Amino acid sequence: EVQVVESGGDLVQPGGSLRLSCAASGFVFSNVWMHWVRQAPGKGLEWVAAIKKDGTEKQYLHYLKDRITISRDNVRNSLYLEMNGLRAEDSAIYYCARGSPLGQDWGQGTLVTVSS
Amino acid sequence: QSVLTQPPSTSGAPGQRVTISCSGSGSNIGRNHVNWYQQVPGAAPKLLMYNNDQRPSGVPARYSGSKSGTSASLAISGLQSEDEADYYCAAWDDSLSSWLFGGGSKLTVL
Repeated sequence: EVQVVESGGDLVQPGGSLRLSCAASGFVFSNVWMHWVRQAPGKGLEWVAAIKKDGTEKQYLHYLKDRITISRDNVRNSLYLEMNGLRAEDSAIYYCARGSPLGQDWGQGTLVTVSS
Repeated sequence: QSVLTQPPSTSGAPGQRVTISCSGSGSNIGRNHVNWYQQVPGAAPKLLMYNNDQRPSGVPARYSGSKSGTSASLAISGLQSEDEADYYCAAWDDSLSSWLFGGGSKLTVL
């Protein structure tokens, strides 16, 4: 059974940093692109970043690229998202999603709240 | 405001057929495939359609997708109460080098 489980969400102050993790199982992790997608409270889905199977290519939502870094560990079957300079508008549920196609499987998400 | 435009809401009675539209541009839908996702309140999204008209395993044939030019549509026939959810389209945008989601359409089954 395919499983992706996010963790690392927390309450963080504006300007702070956070590292989200996603543990994957039930499929050959190193064979697939992986994505992060977020959803602010009561809002729609917003793609954040993606990383190629071997980690050699990374894609970012253009206005976030200076503040975030996506990475993966194909030995630990894990995906990561590092976020810096967090702002209130970054508050959202962050989903880890298997691709391609994007979102073949989704985790339940991890909640990030940016507030003082 | 999303670059991919969807109607905020739509509705239909049980058994009816409804369609949800997704309008984009030449840099996204015009050049790339469209995916559709279903999200029931409180749950994670689920892939409903990919590559415009391909259904993942387990998705009922009541769901169908199409694309023409810079627009795409999701059709749901034989509407059931369990279809009540938010629906999102998505496509890669060559100009932005980003995946784009539509703003979402809330389907109400009357």
